[in-house]
Amino acid sequence: NAGVTQTPKFRVLKTGQSMTLLCAQDMNHEYMYWYRQDPGMGLRLIHYSVGEGTTAKGEVPDGYNVSRLKKQNFLLGLESAAPSQTSVYFCASSYLGLASYNEQFFGPGTRLTVL
Amino acid sequence: TQLLEQSPQFLSIQEGENLTVYCNSSSVFSSLQWYRQEPGEGPVLLVTVVTGGEVKKLKRLTFQFGDARKDSSLHITAAQPGDTGLYLCAGDNYGQNFVFGPGTRLSVLP
Repeated sequence: NAGVTQTPKFRVLKTGQSMTLLCAQDMNHEYMYWYRQDPGMGLRLIHYSVGEGTTAKGEVPDGYNVSRLKKQNFLLGLESAAPSQTSVYFCASSYLGLASYNEQFFGPGTRLTVL
Repeated sequence: TQLLEQSPQFLSIQEGENLTVYCNSSSVFSSLQWYRQEPGEGPVLLVTVVTGGEVKKLKRLTFQFGDARKDSSLHITAAQPGDTGLYLCAGDNYGQNFVFGPGTRLSVLP
């Protein structure tokens, strides 16, 4: 099993460009999440999904959109990238919901730089 | 102001030393998790503590959840270079928020 995979691993964008980050999981998890990680800030939740066809906003959703058309995939889109979106993005999945008694499984991350 | 604070922010020690890192909050948490993140990878769950005062041991790692459920500590005995990484605590305050702390970056030198 591959667990949680993310593509691409690295990307450099110019301000105003758009891109989509792809997350895939093979554990048949209902719940999937997108986080961003910045120095000194920990992981902050951008959007999440409680099942195929559903999405919800997290702590820092502005400037991002998501889609969960298939249970195993969760896409994160940036319509018009800004330098403030330079970060490392992590996708995660879990069998149960977002609570600290549930284990989240994380992908290896995507390092995005917006110039 | 972050819901979860971690200290110290950075820690560099020699192999064989003991260390303790802390996770603190002014809020009460239903449970807390500790994750370890190695460079270039995503976090991996180490332990979940759910009962106030609970102590869990994982080989050389000892985790404690405070009696008031507002804090937790991670103690490593005889640290090894393989313990190097970013240690993150995470928790939810009874369904209101699920948050990660900023992390403690540990470097164990051979």
